[in-house]
Amino acid sequence: DAKTTQPNSMESNEEEPVHLPCNHSTISGTDYIHWYRQLPSQGPEYVIHGLTSNVNNRMASLAIAEDRKSSTLILHRATLRDAAVYYCILNAGNNRKLIWGLGTSLAVNP
Amino acid sequence: GAVVSQHPSWVICKSGTSVKIECRSLDFQATTMFWYRQFPKQSLMLMATSNEGSKATYEQGVEKDKFLINHASLTLSTLTVTSAHPEDSSFYICSAGDRRSRYSGANVLTFGAGSRLTVL
Repeated sequence: DAKTTQPNSMESNEEEPVHLPCNHSTISGTDYIHWYRQLPSQGPEYVIHGLTSNVNNRMASLAIAEDRKSSTLILHRATLRDAAVYYCILNAGNNRKLIWGLGTSLAVNP
Repeated sequence: GAVVSQHPSWVICKSGTSVKIECRSLDFQATTMFWYRQFPKQSLMLMATSNEGSKATYEQGVEKDKFLINHASLTLSTLTVTSAHPEDSSFYICSAGDRRSRYSGANVLTFGAGSRLTVL
């Protein structure tokens, strides 16, 4: 499975946008880009995923670089409840095994 | 949306006893479920892939005789930690894919809330 690289931690202020980067330079053509987040003492939660085009849903937006070697998860207005570890994961469509890195720990200041 | 229920959410047991953790898909059928283990400040480590009606596939280094997985129906998978020891204390998490979901082509998974096991 292709590897992803994320910053260990980031900090944001409440009500401000947050851009969480992810590098995946070895991504293959069949790899989807997934984002999950994990709140303290809870199981991970699906955030968003995409293949080539930018994606929007009620939780976040996903901006995918044209060469697909990087992507950015965008939280438009951070809230205190968005404080979590955010994982960027690549997954081919025919393989359900997700390989987890350490993710980015996001702190949101009031 | 898809919901996965995991029970118990926390359990404390004595060393040498066995503990069973249940993972249920509440509103969808899951042919495949995954079991993860997570130690403090670490990422999720895949332990095994549970397939309905067949034997689980264990990741390298995971003792299949110690971590028994049963996936007897399309909505239930269980993980039994046999003869638990303090080093087995961890956060165990299950996940399942919704084959009806419009996301199924991308293998989006739904996770349980996790079960924290403490072995004394």
